[in-house]
Amino acid sequence: DAKTTQPTSMDCAEGRAANLPCNHSTISGNEYVYWYRQIHSQGPQYIIHGLKNNETNEMASLIITEDRKSSTLILPHATLRDTAVYYCIVRVHTNAGKSTFGDGTTLTVKP
Amino acid sequence: ETGVTQTPRHLVMGMTNKKSLKCEQHLGHNAMYWYKQSAKKPLELMFVYNFKEQTENNSVPSRFSPECPNSSHLFLHLHTLQPEDSALYLCASSQDDQGREKLFFGSGTQLSVL
Repeated sequence: DAKTTQPTSMDCAEGRAANLPCNHSTISGNEYVYWYRQIHSQGPQYIIHGLKNNETNEMASLIITEDRKSSTLILPHATLRDTAVYYCIVRVHTNAGKSTFGDGTTLTVKP
Repeated sequence: ETGVTQTPRHLVMGMTNKKSLKCEQHLGHNAMYWYKQSAKKPLELMFVYNFKEQTENNSVPSRFSPECPNSSHLFLHLHTLQPEDSALYLCASSQDDQGREKLFFGSGTQLSVL
């Protein structure tokens, strides 16, 4: 699986958009970008995934650059409950269990 | 509620004790996983089961013994653990281990070994 680079931590004001970047410059053509988050002392939760097109669901939007070397997860209106560690994972579509969870980005949403 | 339930939520055990962690999924999935998350470390995949058969063991010490009696249940039997085994143990499931499915995690068991 391709290696990813994420900032260690970020702050965001409540109600504002949170934009979490991820660099994956060695991504292969058949690798997808997945995002999970982990709220303190709970299991990770799937957020969204994409291959090359931008994706949106009820939780977030995923913007993937045209060269696919980086992506941004967008939480449009962050709430205090969005405070968590966010993991960007790049992997082929199979072998879900072998997803490599790195250190992620700790997002703190402040009132 | 993710559809994956882990019990107990917290466990304290001595190094000579034997205990078991339980995981149950109500999603109709065929693959189940055990992960370990030590303090300030990334998740580590321990075991993978697909259709009740173990398909991966990531060099886990024998003091951890998994059991998968059916596709809905997964156990992790613990014996003669060490203090460094203290961690959050997470169970996850997916449709199968070769499919294009995302992982669903339980809330984990926070284990403390004294």
